[in-house]
Amino acid sequence: NAGVMQNPRHLVRRRGQEARLRCSPMKGHSHVYWYRQLPEEGLKFMVYLQKENIIDESGMPKERFSAEFPKEGPSILRIQQVVRGDSAAYFCASSLKNPGQGGVEQFFGPGTRLTVL
Amino acid sequence: SQQGEEDPQALSIQEGENATMNCSYKTSINNLQWYRQNSGRGLVHLILIRSNEREKHSGRLRVTLDTSKKSSSLLITASRAADTASYFCATDGYGNKLVFGAGTILRVKS
Repeated sequence: NAGVMQNPRHLVRRRGQEARLRCSPMKGHSHVYWYRQLPEEGLKFMVYLQKENIIDESGMPKERFSAEFPKEGPSILRIQQVVRGDSAAYFCASSLKNPGQGGVEQFFGPGTRLTVL
Repeated sequence: SQQGEEDPQALSIQEGENATMNCSYKTSINNLQWYRQNSGRGLVHLILIRSNEREKHSGRLRVTLDTSKKSSSLLITASRAADTASYFCATDGYGNKLVFGAGTILRVKS
C-alpha cells in the first residue's frame, strides 16, 4: 500500500507564475489536508477536503490560493501569481476517517518544496 | 502563542544518552501526536496518545500526557545518531486540523 504521494518534490517558479501541487492520498483515504511549513517553523494547517468538497479552509490565504479534491484524480493546491513569500514546503496528509471522530491519524506525504525566484 | 509549543528549541546529546522533549498546548484535545522530520524530508508519525491515556510506549519512545497541565513529553532512550531530526507535537484541539508547534531540533553526536 503506497503512502501519500506528492509531486513534484521540488518546484521552482518565478514571481507571477502559477504553482500547482498534487497529492494522491493513501489508498482508501477520502480525507485530505494541506499544510505549509516555512523555514525553521512547524507546519501550519491550510485546508481540509473530502472528495469534491472543501470542509475547512480556515488556514488558506484569502487570495491567490485554492484547493480541490475531485472525484477522480489527485488533490490539487493551486497558487496563482506566486510571490517570494510563498516559498515553503507544502505537505499533504490523508486519513481514513473523519477527523471529527477524534484520534484520527494523519499520514503525511514527502512534501513539495516550492521556491519562488 | 501557537498551540503545541515544544521546548527546548534545540537539544544536543551524546549517543547513548536519553533525550526529553516537552510540549505544551492550550485547548482541550482528543489526542496528541508526535512526529519526526529529518532535514528536508517529510514527517514520520511516531506515536499517538489519547486524552484518556497518561503514558504510552513504542520501542525506545515513551510519551506522557498530563491533561491537567496541558503538557506532554517525549522521551527517547539510548539515543542513536540516526535519531538526529526535528520533533514536533501536534494536537487536534481545533477540530479538523492538527496544530503543530515549532519543534525541537535534536542532534545526537556519535
